[in-house]
Amino acid sequence: DAKTTQPTSMDCAEGRAANLPCNHSTISGNEYVYWYRQIHSQGPQYIIHGLKNNETNEMASLIITEDRKSSTLILPHATLRDTAVYYCIVRVGNNDMRFGAGTRLTVKP
Amino acid sequence: DTGVSQDPRHKITKRGQNVTFRCDPISEHNRLYWYRQTLGQGPEFLTYFQNEAQLEKSRLLSDRFSAERPKGSFSTLEIQRTEQGDSAMYLCASRGPGTGREAFFGQGTRLTVV
Repeated sequence: DAKTTQPTSMDCAEGRAANLPCNHSTISGNEYVYWYRQIHSQGPQYIIHGLKNNETNEMASLIITEDRKSSTLILPHATLRDTAVYYCIVRVGNNDMRFGAGTRLTVKP
Repeated sequence: DTGVSQDPRHKITKRGQNVTFRCDPISEHNRLYWYRQTLGQGPEFLTYFQNEAQLEKSRLLSDRFSAERPKGSFSTLEIQRTEQGDSAMYLCASRGPGTGREAFFGQGTRLTVV
């Protein structure tokens, strides 16, 4: 599976959009991009995933560049409860997911 | 609640003892994964089942670790002769059949070896 690169930490003001970037320059054509987040002492929570097209659900939007070498997770109106570690993962088929260190997002009042 | 269930949530054991954790996946999810997570790190893959077959094991899964998934339903992870370095959160995840499906995680079992 392709390796991902994320910033170690980011801050965001409450009520503003949080844009979390992820680089996956070695992604192959059949690898999906997944985003999970983990709030302290809990299991990872699925957020969203996509292959080529941008995706949106009730939690977030996922923007994937045309060359698929990077993506951005957007939380449109961040709240204090969105403070967590966010993981960007690429995976093909039935393989397991390999987590990196993720981005620690802190939402500030 | 029909999510992934793990039991127990917390386990404290003395070094050298054996421990067993249980994971009940989401119903009809044929794929089940075990991960280990230490403080400040992302989850690390341990092993993967498709139905009852164990298809992949990480190098992290030493001889003291064994996982089973009889009948392709719940799974157990056993650690024999625990060591202090085994202290971690043990996470289970399950996923349905087909490609491009998301996996759902349980709340984990936190193991402390004293």
